[in-house]
Amino acid sequence: AQSVAQPEDQVKVAEGNPLTVKCTYSVSGNPYLFWYVQYPNRGLQFLLKYITGDNLVKGSYGFEAEFNKSQTSFHLKKPSALVSDSALYFCAVRDTGTGTASKLTFGTGTRLQVTL
Amino acid sequence: NAGVMQNPRHLVRRRGQEARLRCSPMKGHSHVYWYRQLPEEGLKFMVYLQKENIIDESGMPKERFSAEFPKEGPSILRIQQVVRGDSAAYFCASSSTWTSGTRTYTQYFGPGTRLTVL
Repeated sequence: AQSVAQPEDQVKVAEGNPLTVKCTYSVSGNPYLFWYVQYPNRGLQFLLKYITGDNLVKGSYGFEAEFNKSQTSFHLKKPSALVSDSALYFCAVRDTGTGTASKLTFGTGTRLQVTL
Repeated sequence: NAGVMQNPRHLVRRRGQEARLRCSPMKGHSHVYWYRQLPEEGLKFMVYLQKENIIDESGMPKERFSAEFPKEGPSILRIQQVVRGDSAAYFCASSSTWTSGTRTYTQYFGPGTRLTVL
């Protein structure tokens, strides 16, 4: 069975500084990896995904993630954090089912706090 | 281009009552997923459905929970005889059947239904 680990419950950065939110995964086949963001009392918003191709994936709101197969990691990054980036971030891996649809397994989430 | 719709947004039930949560997928999406988020936890998969079919229900509790996605109308997650431990946020997601393009494999989430059991 696949799994995702987000080793940090919380990450604090100052506005304008770069941010990294860590994610490692375990799958039996090729990994399909996702990042979502959740604001208070809201649903999850899709940020970006890695399916195949370039290891550096660019997504919404200036976020990007680097896929590293040897380290089984998919860390989320942003060069310059904004206070409005403060939210709960989830890494997820898609089940290696058939077709284009299959369940996601989520990490426990990392709360990002960006301070002035 | 409406996103995934869920209603109600908030639902309060007393122990022993039934809860019905509804989800309308994005236009053109035929795959629906239900996830549950307990307070201060991540999302846990419950069930995956296509029209009139349950594809994967490996995350559904064995008793009191059921889900359907009829030919017409929204998907329904039904919880019978609710208990306090059912209090959580229930999220629905949908995805398309496209095999190429930027939206392939991506699940889009609704705003959730927050169930409180008194």
